[in-house]
Amino acid sequence: GQNIDQPTEMTATEGAIVQINCTYQTSGFNGLFWYQQHAGEAPTFLSYNVLDGLEEKGRFSSFLSRSKGYSYLLLKELQMKDSASYLCAVTSNDYKLSFGAGTTVTVRA
Amino acid sequence: NAGVTQTPKFRVLKTGQSMTLLCAQDMNHEYMYWYRQDPGMGLRLIHYSVGEGTTAKGEVPDGYNVSRLKKQNFLLGLESAAPSQTSVYFCASSYFLSWTSGGAKDTQYFGPGTRLTVL
Repeated sequence: GQNIDQPTEMTATEGAIVQINCTYQTSGFNGLFWYQQHAGEAPTFLSYNVLDGLEEKGRFSSFLSRSKGYSYLLLKELQMKDSASYLCAVTSNDYKLSFGAGTTVTVRA
Repeated sequence: NAGVTQTPKFRVLKTGQSMTLLCAQDMNHEYMYWYRQDPGMGLRLIHYSVGEGTTAKGEVPDGYNVSRLKKQNFLLGLESAAPSQTSVYFCASSYFLSWTSGGAKDTQYFGPGTRLTVL
């Protein structure tokens, strides 16, 4: 089975940086997704890491260390619209996605 | 393109009633999935389908049935609803089965969700 852990909540100020950590224990690991989910809406794709290292996409970056079973999502220059839940999800040798419980980020003015 | 759509958006049932949730996608995706999302538990896979006419059990299949008679549709049925099935249900679809190629094209695309309450 999969065991995926991420913090429940984080709060940050507009314009600041927040790092959301995700640790996982899984068999047959393939890659790791990050999704964003606004309240009452569907999850939407942010990033996918297969290899070790940092992937940067504008204000969002995602890092993966396969040997440590660790990933983080970095949100820079926070905006009010970034207030949402961020879901870490792991894929293994089958088709399935296993999700963490999600981290709710609140951005304050 | 509409992407992934779900019907209905909201529903209230009494214990023991039955209902069907409909998911439709217009992206010609082979793979479709049904999840439920509960507070503090994340998304959990109920059933999935790897192609028209095929279905398989996910992590929490008990109390649910599914059918994939057409490639673009994936139906989730509750034969006898229970309060424990109160949840938000999401349908998703994807093009690729293997994740190894990486990138956005491997991602699952989610529908807007159905909020179900069983009294």
